[in-house]
Amino acid sequence: SQQGEEDPQALSIQEGENATMNCSYKTSINNLQWYRQNSGRGLVHLILIRSNEREKHSGRLRVTLDTSKKSSSLLITASRAADTASYFCATANFNTGGFKTIFGAGTRLFVKA
Amino acid sequence: DTEVTQTPKHLVMGMTNKKSLKCEQHMGHRAMYWYKQKAKKPPELMFVYSYEKLSINESVPSRFSPECPNSSLLNLHLHALQPEDSALYLCASSQGARSGGNTDTQYFGPGTRLTVL
Repeated sequence: SQQGEEDPQALSIQEGENATMNCSYKTSINNLQWYRQNSGRGLVHLILIRSNEREKHSGRLRVTLDTSKKSSSLLITASRAADTASYFCATANFNTGGFKTIFGAGTRLFVKA
Repeated sequence: DTEVTQTPKHLVMGMTNKKSLKCEQHMGHRAMYWYKQKAKKPPELMFVYSYEKLSINESVPSRFSPECPNSSLLNLHLHALQPEDSALYLCASSQGARSGGNTDTQYFGPGTRLTVL
């Protein structure tokens, strides 16, 4: 079952513009992660934010987390054509023996050169 | 080495066949995962192994049978599948909750694209 919704479902921007994707979730979490997937290949981990953190940066990526609203956003600054991919948020909740990870529906990002 | 490998890359099988998907990692991770992903949908968790023991089974039909022979290997045995089981099957690994705390990052393999005829 999906944890929550991501919006927008698809986003088309010009190279150099910023892209913002949002994710909402339903249950309590230990952390939230963002992943990128190119054309049905494996997922690449981008960034992890813990439940007690509010903002995190990594290169051109900025992630925020609002646990009171159960939402997160991913900002990609100065986008490039190579950023074209699907982006998923994933929430992790510690379960006995391992983390149960649930992915959001994803945002398909198109960056036009 | 931060690589998770999966074999085969592609698999076509009939509904009466028995086949296996294989996943391997050499990062010393103690948690391994199987996900199923349909086209234009997010990955859906199927199984989690922690320290070689099955810890999560997301009510997956018994025609999918996971196996973790050792801490580096994860198999998914397939038998009597249905055409609707056609999907990308992704394997992932992570340090494991005991050692990773709440910063447990999953590393994904490239997936096996399965087609059931």
